[in-house]
Amino acid sequence: SQKIEQNSEALNIQEGKTATLTCNYTNYSPAYLQWYRQDPGRGPVFLLLIRENEKEKRKERLKVTFDTTLKQSLFHITASQPADSATYLCALGGYSSASKIIFGSGTRLSIRP
Amino acid sequence: DVKVTQSSRYLVKRTGEKVFLECVQDMDHENMFWYRQDPGLGLRLIYFSYDVKMKEKGDIPEGYSVSREKKERFSLILESASTNQTSMYLCASSPHTGQGNSPLHFGNGTRLTVT
Repeated sequence: SQKIEQNSEALNIQEGKTATLTCNYTNYSPAYLQWYRQDPGRGPVFLLLIRENEKEKRKERLKVTFDTTLKQSLFHITASQPADSATYLCALGGYSSASKIIFGSGTRLSIRP
Repeated sequence: DVKVTQSSRYLVKRTGEKVFLECVQDMDHENMFWYRQDPGLGLRLIYFSYDVKMKEKGDIPEGYSVSREKKERFSLILESASTNQTSMYLCASSPHTGQGNSPLHFGNGTRLTVT
């Protein structure tokens, strides 16, 4: 069955450093990979989408890579700030607008001052 | 901004009750989704709908049904609530773009406790 794995352990990073989160998947050939941020008690909020034919995508301090051979995406936050502390989720989607979107269990990121 | 509104933030129901969770979106999105979120398991897709009166099973549809009579509203129904359905329920919507999946817009969730 399709499976998405994210860093199971929480990640603690010193402010100013680059945080790197990992998303690995099996038994799936996604057309898209998406990253979301979720704060406690709130629904996830979309951050970035990267297509299968794109290697890298950037948005301000965020960078996402997508390696379909390794079946892996890396999510980087550069110059991290305490306000970046949250849970980050990756999600995979298919080629059709009617495809289901499946999520990983998320990685909790804490940025200490 | 897209707004996805879930009717209740917290809900407490008894075992065996029929439970309705309502979700409304205001951006004319074609796709709507219901997920449940449990610690360590992440978001699991229960049902989704890509058009009015259309529905597709997700990964864990057992014990649930859905209704999409109007484009803006997607209801999740627990026919006979059980304690293992205690969870956070998240509704989401997205538009059709003709290019595959669009980002999801989520509501803030309904925390359901079944006693």
